[in-house]
Formats: sequence, structure tokens, C-alpha cells
Amino acid sequence: DADVTQTPRNRITKTGKRIMLECSQTKGHDRMYWYRQDPGLGLRLIYYSFDVKDINKGEISDGYSVSRQAQAKFSLSLESAIPNQTALYFCATSELGANGYTFGSGTRLTVV
Amino acid sequence: SQELEQSPQSLIVQEGKNLTINCTSSKTLYGLYWYKQKYGEGLIFLMMLQKGGEEKSHEKITAKLDEKKQQSSLHITASQPSHAGIYLCGADGTGTASKLTFGTGTRLQVTL
Repeated sequence: DADVTQTPRNRITKTGKRIMLECSQTKGHDRMYWYRQDPGLGLRLIYYSFDVKDINKGEISDGYSVSRQAQAKFSLSLESAIPNQTALYFCATSELGANGYTFGSGTRLTVV
Repeated sequence: SQELEQSPQSLIVQEGKNLTINCTSSKTLYGLYWYKQKYGEGLIFLMMLQKGGEEKSHEKITAKLDEKKQQSSLHITASQPSHAGIYLCGADGTGTASKLTFGTGTRLQVTL
């Protein structure tokens, strides 16, 4: 099994629908992140969490919310999806002092 | 906020040729991370650089961080089709490794 698992891998949803993207990890890391990737814009940070009781907004948090249900689980919700939220979403984990993040395989979300 | 600029944005090289990708930061880099992404997939960690003048190599890929710690280069020697993908640099601008800012990426194609 992958160290960081994202579900679903692909999702098509309609404008206005609520959708949740899930992330689980077996790395035992405290820190978890959600990024989105758009062509030509690189990766942009949506939310991050340093432990179960710590949630922080990233640079593009509007329209998104998160929940850290356990150390190993971090979910991202779009309360009312809109077409410009169509993107590739990545979950990542890290630990203090470690060399970089471990990324999931991504969720490709299309809002029509 | 820290901004990272990568150049070139895209690159097509013939198999066996050498190439260099650059990553320039608007602020001092406390840690510079290089990742590779296969098209539409997750990011794979390549290397991390922290000290001015530091250089690391892995197989045919060498990364350097300049003395002033504001620019990094990634050099691939004798490119192969397996090197194709998107290369992204990520920066730790706070020294706490709490969250990374990413460049927009360099798309590399290797032709036969």
C-alpha cells in the first residue's frame, strides 16, 4: 500500500455540489497538507495541519474547508463546488526536520 | 511571501544530451527541495539542499545551491527517456520546514 493514499483518484461533479477528498497516511507524520495544481501555476497551498488540533489556512483557502479526523487522516471539502476549482489536488505529509514531503498520487477533480 | 521562478518553462532535448533547470527565489532559501512529477501523477522527492554552495547527486542528476542561497540548479547528464516529466523546486522560506512554496515547474521531454 502507498504511504499516502488519496481517494477518489478521479471525480467529476456538478457546480454547487458538496464534495470531499480524503487523504490517509501510514508514515506516522504529524504534518499534513493539501495543495492544488493548475497548469502554469505550480502547486498552491490550500490548508495545512501540524497535529490533530492544529489547522492553518494556506494561500488559497477560500471555498475550501478541512478536517483532521486523526493523525493519519486529513480530508478536504468543497462546500459548493465551482468550475474554477477544477484542478489536480495533492495531499502531502512531512515530519519536522525530515527531507521533504511525501505526496499522494493526487485526485483529479472536474467541476462541470 | 516567497516566490520561485523556474526556467525554462519547458525543454525538449535529444536522448544523451545534458540539460540544466534553474530555480530562483525572491528571498533567502533555508531549504530547497527538488521533485519530479510524471505527467498527472504524484511528486517524487529527488534532493534537498540547505547550505550555501551545497551540491548533491543521485544517479545522473546533480543539484546545486548557490552561495547566496537564492538560486538552485538541477543538471541532468546524458538524459534518458526515463527523465521525462515535470521538475518542480520547492522552498522553505522560514527555516522551520513548516510549509513549502513551489515553483511553476519545468516540463522536460526527451526525444529518441
